[in-house]
Amino acid sequence: KAGVTQTPRYLIKTRGQQVTLSCSPISGHRSVSWYQQTPGQGLQFLFEYFSETQRNKGNFPGRFSGRQFSNSRSEMNVSTLELGDSALYLCASSLRTSGGASYEQYFGPGTRLTVT
Amino acid sequence: QKEVEQNSGPLSVPEGAIASLNCTYSDRVSQSFFWYRQYSGKSPELIMSIYSNGDKEDGRFTAQLNKASQYVSLLIRDSQPSDSATYLCAVSGSGNTGKLIFGQGTTLQVKP
Repeated sequence: KAGVTQTPRYLIKTRGQQVTLSCSPISGHRSVSWYQQTPGQGLQFLFEYFSETQRNKGNFPGRFSGRQFSNSRSEMNVSTLELGDSALYLCASSLRTSGGASYEQYFGPGTRLTVT
Repeated sequence: QKEVEQNSGPLSVPEGAIASLNCTYSDRVSQSFFWYRQYSGKSPELIMSIYSNGDKEDGRFTAQLNKASQYVSLLIRDSQPSDSATYLCAVSGSGNTGKLIFGQGTTLQVKP
């Protein structure tokens, strides 16, 4: 099976701009979670999408948003970029069902965002 | 108090030794526990998951969970230089959730 893919892999933006990152989960996986990784804060949960609905949200400002499509692909958007948004953005897919839960999450390679 | 705590290390062990990595968590209702390995410049790779108290073995890796003590550990037997990486402990959030809470990670160095 192909793994989780993320595009683009690297991105350089300037303050005030917005950015959209894309994630394609492992085939058959319906849950996509997004994380931000920085040297100072480590890996922090942004949000999770399942069946095209945001199920959980982390403690990030409203500038961070996302969506999920019917094929389970997901995008996240960051508006009005700040220098502190420079980070590795990771998505992870999971075979989560609506009833129970299988929480094993598999990460994509990440998108390295640099804000100047 | 951090939700998931790990010793940042570095933990240095000689090749062939057992490496022991530890993690404590604060939320008593957490149900799922994971260990990820992250090489420098790469994304985290899932190496172990554990859901019940006790030990779970997979090859050279053994995960141990003690929910009463809110403690989870990872043992790596016959450590190899290729095991040198940062090991991240992750705990599921409360309830039926796809949110994982990560520790800061422990850097392991295996010396030949």
